[in-house]
Amino acid sequence: AQSVTQLGSHVSVSEGALVLLRCNYSSSVPPYLFWYVQYPNQGLQLLLKYTTGATLVKGINGFEAEFKKSETSFHLTKPSAHMSDAAEYFCAVERGGYQKVTFGTGTKLQVIP
Amino acid sequence: SAVISQKPSRDICQRGTSLTIQCQVDSQVTMMFWYRQQPGQSLTLIATANQGSEATYESGFVIDKFPISRPNLTFSTLTVSNMSPEDSSIYLCSVGGTAPDYGYTFGSGTRLTVV
Repeated sequence: AQSVTQLGSHVSVSEGALVLLRCNYSSSVPPYLFWYVQYPNQGLQLLLKYTTGATLVKGINGFEAEFKKSETSFHLTKPSAHMSDAAEYFCAVERGGYQKVTFGTGTKLQVIP
Repeated sequence: SAVISQKPSRDICQRGTSLTIQCQVDSQVTMMFWYRQQPGQSLTLIATANQGSEATYESGFVIDKFPISRPNLTFSTLTVSNMSPEDSSIYLCSVGGTAPDYGYTFGSGTRLTVV
């Protein structure tokens, strides 16, 4: 079985500040890991993914995440928050290649001017 | 990555009726997935739809309530049957990717309100 835990259902940061959204996973096999963003009244958009290889992955809109196997973590970061980053972010895990994805409960990011 | 067209984007339905949601993909895909996102919650997988076989439902979801069709490799429908207010959710379809462009693409969702 696999699961995803996102710490903090709501995170507030000031514009220009560091964004850190936490995600821990459990998986019985090497996982594929994803971060998605959902803007209000829209579907999900893939931000970035880790499948194999380099553990630091870069995605769209300046976001990046690092896969740390020893910590079973895949935290999402962005050096400088922008107002347009305000959205809900979902971490997700898949048993590598089996295409059954489990989503975390989501973190709503608020960016304060 | 694939592009998915999902419709309707939203609907308001009377309890006891049914709504069919359609997803059209711009490329052939083996597996399509249907998710439900209840208000303020995360996504829950309803079922996996393979072309040419019965859909596989997750625990808590049954075919009588959520019948799925998958007539070809680019199209699928999800019907929400005999609706009640508890079915008010966003329903999303999704397709996977293939290496090296691996990831999941989602439709824009159907926002369903049952009154």
